[in-house]
Amino acid sequence: DVKVTQSSRYLVKRTGEKVFLECVQDMDHENMFWYRQDPGLGLRLIYFSYDVKMKEKGDIPEGYSVSREKKERFSLILESASTNQTSMYLCASSPPTGIGEQYFGPGTRLTVT
Amino acid sequence: GEDVEQSLFLSVREGDSSVINCTYTDSSSTYLYWYKQEPGAGLQLLTYIFSNMDMKQDQRLTVLLNKKDKHLSLRIADTQTGDSAIYFCALDTGRRALTFGSGTRLQVQP
Repeated sequence: DVKVTQSSRYLVKRTGEKVFLECVQDMDHENMFWYRQDPGLGLRLIYFSYDVKMKEKGDIPEGYSVSREKKERFSLILESASTNQTSMYLCASSPPTGIGEQYFGPGTRLTVT
Repeated sequence: GEDVEQSLFLSVREGDSSVINCTYTDSSSTYLYWYKQEPGAGLQLLTYIFSNMDMKQDQRLTVLLNKKDKHLSLRIADTQTGDSAIYFCALDTGRRALTFGSGTRLQVQP
């Protein structure tokens, strides 16, 4: 059974803290994605990666960075968390020829106070 | 960039048909997708349609594509309470990532 796991389901951080969200997939997928989900706005793409050490900006990369040191792991970093980054964060992966065939993790609900 | 729009909420009675609509601006997508998100979970791919097709049927699901009007719909026949979820349409706009709509929350009343 394919699996995408995220390090935390719920996270509470303070403004200004550095935050790491981890995502691991066990399907040997080349592509990995980070989205944030907000009510009424759907999913918005933050960053994606199509290979180890490769990354591309999505639609809303400001305030975020990513790291892909190993194929199975894709990390989202909030350098200095702000209250407007309170959201649900979803990680996904897909095979190289199946951008639309994305497998999602359960999400991390991050609250920044 | 691509705009993908959906109505936010749909309520139906159990046993009725549900129709979830999606409109988009960019017509270059090769495939168009429907994802389902159940409460407390991530999204899962439900079905998809190739852009040169008008319709695709998969058991209780029917996908209709009107390329002229840039309109995609998902029909769920005999809707069950287990179909209550948020449904997202998504387009592959050629940048190696999908663009998702805002999602439609389907509520099925017994």
